[in-house]
Amino acid sequence: DAGVTQSPTHLIKTRGQHVTLRCSPISGHKSVSWYQQVLGQGPQFIFQYYEKEERGRGNFPDRFSARQFPNYSSELNVNALLLGDSALYLCASSAVRLAGTDTQYFGPGTRLTVL
Amino acid sequence: AQTVTQSQPEMSVQEAETVTLSCTYDTSENNYYLFWYKQPPSRQMILVIRQEAYKQQNATENRFSVNFQKAAKSFSLKISDSQLGDTAMYFCAFMRRSGNTGKLIFGQGTTLQVKP
Repeated sequence: DAGVTQSPTHLIKTRGQHVTLRCSPISGHKSVSWYQQVLGQGPQFIFQYYEKEERGRGNFPDRFSARQFPNYSSELNVNALLLGDSALYLCASSAVRLAGTDTQYFGPGTRLTVL
Repeated sequence: AQTVTQSQPEMSVQEAETVTLSCTYDTSENNYYLFWYKQPPSRQMILVIRQEAYKQQNATENRFSVNFQKAAKSFSLKISDSQLGDTAMYFCAFMRRSGNTGKLIFGQGTTLQVKP
């Protein structure tokens, strides 16, 4: 089975632009989470979506938004890019069993550089 | 708020030897999960091991095992018979069980180098 896939692999944008990152979860997984990882640090939680609804949001400004589609894939959108948005953006999928949260499996990430 | 602390920014070990990575966390929750993830230079984050807080038995996965001390809020990772492929950044992570927000809280990471 394919793992979590993300596109694009790399992206270069300039300040003020908009960017859309895409993620496809593991087949059968209904939840997608997004993380931002600045070089040399641990990932920071941005959003989680389950069954197309937002279930969790981290401390990120409203410039960050996301959505989940009926096939459980997801998009992360960032508006008005700042230099500080340069990072590796990770997507993770999980099955989310009824008993509680489930283990998250990560994709390879999208490296965003803002100039 | 929960926090996760990894106090060892860098560590090294000789091939075939054993190394232990430290992790402490702070939470008022009673039900939660703890994880160790590995991120090789190729950057894909890979799950190493998972521990459920209500289980007293320490989790093991082949050469990887944890020492989970709930009262001390400590969760260390032991890697036995270290291999060159174990070279990576290792992250300790916490997830509360209630609320189902799916939020993983990561430590700062420990860079492990396995030397031949």
